[in-house]
Amino acid sequence: KNEVEQSPQNLTAQEGEFITINCSYSVGISALHWLQQHPGGGIVSLFMLSSGKKKHGRLIATINIQEKHSSLHITASHPRDSAVYICAVSWGGGGADGLTFGKGTHLIIQP
Amino acid sequence: DAGITQSPRYKITETGRQVTLMCHQTWSHSYMFWYRQDLGHGLRLIYYSAAADITDKGEVPDGYVVSRSKTENFPLTLESATRSQTSVYFCASSRRVGNQPQHFGDGTRLSIL
Repeated sequence: KNEVEQSPQNLTAQEGEFITINCSYSVGISALHWLQQHPGGGIVSLFMLSSGKKKHGRLIATINIQEKHSSLHITASHPRDSAVYICAVSWGGGGADGLTFGKGTHLIIQP
Repeated sequence: DAGITQSPRYKITETGRQVTLMCHQTWSHSYMFWYRQDLGHGLRLIYYSAAADITDKGEVPDGYVVSRSKTENFPLTLESATRSQTSVYFCASSRRVGNQPQHFGDGTRLSIL
């Protein structure tokens, strides 16, 4: 079964710290997505990438296709970054066309 | 405003009842998806649609029915609701599958008593 693994499951940090969330997957993909979900809220797409690195404000996403691994980094973290961050992949080849998701990383940034 | 909207936002119903969750998007995206989100499982694909009148099963389709007579609408029906279908349901759309971002609705919180 094609799987997506995220770590850590829970992360508590102090404001200003550099945050890293990791995602690994089992087989080839066409794209990897990083999503954000605030408590009780909807799901927002942060990044979609199939190679290299993308940056948006204080958020950076990287992917290593050979190692089947991606990381999401948050620089100068702030309490408003507290949310669940979800990694998801679009698989290459046949099969259902929707996303397969990791179980999410629950991030809390304390002031 | 353009976007993707789900209705209702909250729904409480009883086992055995039929319930339909609505999803409407204004982007004319070809692809639409239904996911459910449960503690311990994360998000899982229920059904998806590549275009009007084309639908296919995802990971957890049992107990659900979908239709897509118009590009902009993708309703999800629970024909005889069970307690195990208590969940938060998200609809999403994308222009193409694979290397296109998906845009999510705000979700429907469904409780089945």
